Amino acid sequence: EVQLVESGGGLVQPGGSLRLSCAASGFTVSTNYMNWVRQAPGKGLEWVSAIYSGGSTYYSDSVKGRFTISRDISKNALYLQMNSLRAEDTAVYHCARGNTGYSSDYWGQGTLVTVSS
Amino acid sequence: QSALTQPRSVSGSPGQSVTISCTGTSSDVGGYNYVSWYQRHPGKAPKLMIYDVSERPSGVPDRFSGSKSGNTASLTISGLQSEDEADYYCCSYAGSYTFVVFGGGTKLTVL
Repeated sequence: EVQLVESGGGLVQPGGSLRLSCAASGFTVSTNYMNWVRQAPGKGLEWVSAIYSGGSTYYSDSVKGRFTISRDISKNALYLQMNSLRAEDTAVYHCARGNTGYSSDYWGQGTLVTVSS
Repeated sequence: QSALTQPRSVSGSPGQSVTISCTGTSSDVGGYNYVSWYQRHPGKAPKLMIYDVSERPSGVPDRFSGSKSGNTASLTISGLQSEDEADYYCCSYAGSYTFVVFGGGTKLTVL
């Protein structure tokens, strides 16, 4: 059974850093493309970042230069390093497995990141 | 403001059909056949309902169907059931620079 479990969220001050983790089971992270998608309070879904099986990475303009997506093959895990955090980064962050046609077929429940002083 | 435009809410009675629209541009919805739809119940993870405009993942009832005309994609739910009440989000590939964009979401109420 495919499962994705995020962790690492919490309260952080503006300008601070957090590293989100996504533990995967039931499939191999390195052979799929993986995404991070977030949802701010009262807002819709927003794509954040993706990493392909070959290692290519993609970022939304809103996080480019501040966030870094990566994976650990030995741990079968996905990560999102978030630096220079802003209030507008406050959201629930989901990891999701990529599917055909740039869709995502499995999602984690998400981890809440709150950026506030 | 989301890149793709969806109605904030739609409603229908059990057994009826509803259609949710998703309007983009020639750079996303109109330019690629990579539109997907997600269902989200409160407190739950999003669930993929449609991919590649009109394909259903296994396990998704055939009451759910997708289509596209020009820059507008649509999700139609026929034979509405109470468990269909949820938020629905459309999503489209938007090229190698922007990558993926979502709609703002539509709240479906089953009356």
